[in-house]
Amino acid sequence: AQSVTQLGSHVSVSEGALVLLRCNYSSSVPPYLFWYVQYPNQGLQLLLKYTSAATLVKGINGFEAEFKKSETSFHLTKPSAHMSDAAEYFCAVSPGGYNKLIFGAGTRLAVHP
Amino acid sequence: DTAVSQTPKYLVTQMGNDKSIKCEQNLGHDTMYWYKQDSKKFLKIMFSYNNKELIINETVPNRFSPKSPDKAHLNLHINSLELGDSAVYFCASSSRGDDGGGRYNEQFFGPGTRLTVL
Repeated sequence: AQSVTQLGSHVSVSEGALVLLRCNYSSSVPPYLFWYVQYPNQGLQLLLKYTSAATLVKGINGFEAEFKKSETSFHLTKPSAHMSDAAEYFCAVSPGGYNKLIFGAGTRLAVHP
Repeated sequence: DTAVSQTPKYLVTQMGNDKSIKCEQNLGHDTMYWYKQDSKKFLKIMFSYNNKELIINETVPNRFSPKSPDKAHLNLHINSLELGDSAVYFCASSSRGDDGGGRYNEQFFGPGTRLTVL
């Protein structure tokens, strides 16, 4: 069965510090992988996606993620956190790249001065 | 221009009532979805329509009935509302990729409809 595990429901960092949000997936077929961000009372916005091309993917707002097949991971990073990065982050897998998205439970990122 | 829009944004109603949520996308996509986000922020797909045809139905109670009058619209009708239906409902849309392999591009989400059943 396909699934997504996001380690850490809450992550807190200082402004300017490294952001690392962890995502591990399970998929019986080559996956497409996505990171979405949700700001309070808003919909989901795509940060970046992996669709079987380059394993290091760059997204919006300075975020990037690396697909590691051997570790079944797709961790999200940003070198320097900004206050505006505070939000809920969701990792999602689309098994085989077909139209079903399976989401992780989300990680709430807090950024403090 | 709003890519995926939903109405209403907030919906407060009594148990047992019937209500509808509307969704429209102007992205030219051929596939639309409904997701439910519960109070713990967990997101789960409910339905998917491709070219007005139901292709995913994730064991949702049959009180929930999606209707797609055309490719740009996917409405969600809920009968006999229950307390457990309180959640945020998101509409999304996507298109097929260009590789001809049946894969899909990323999904674009609407702003959500917060349903509260009293």
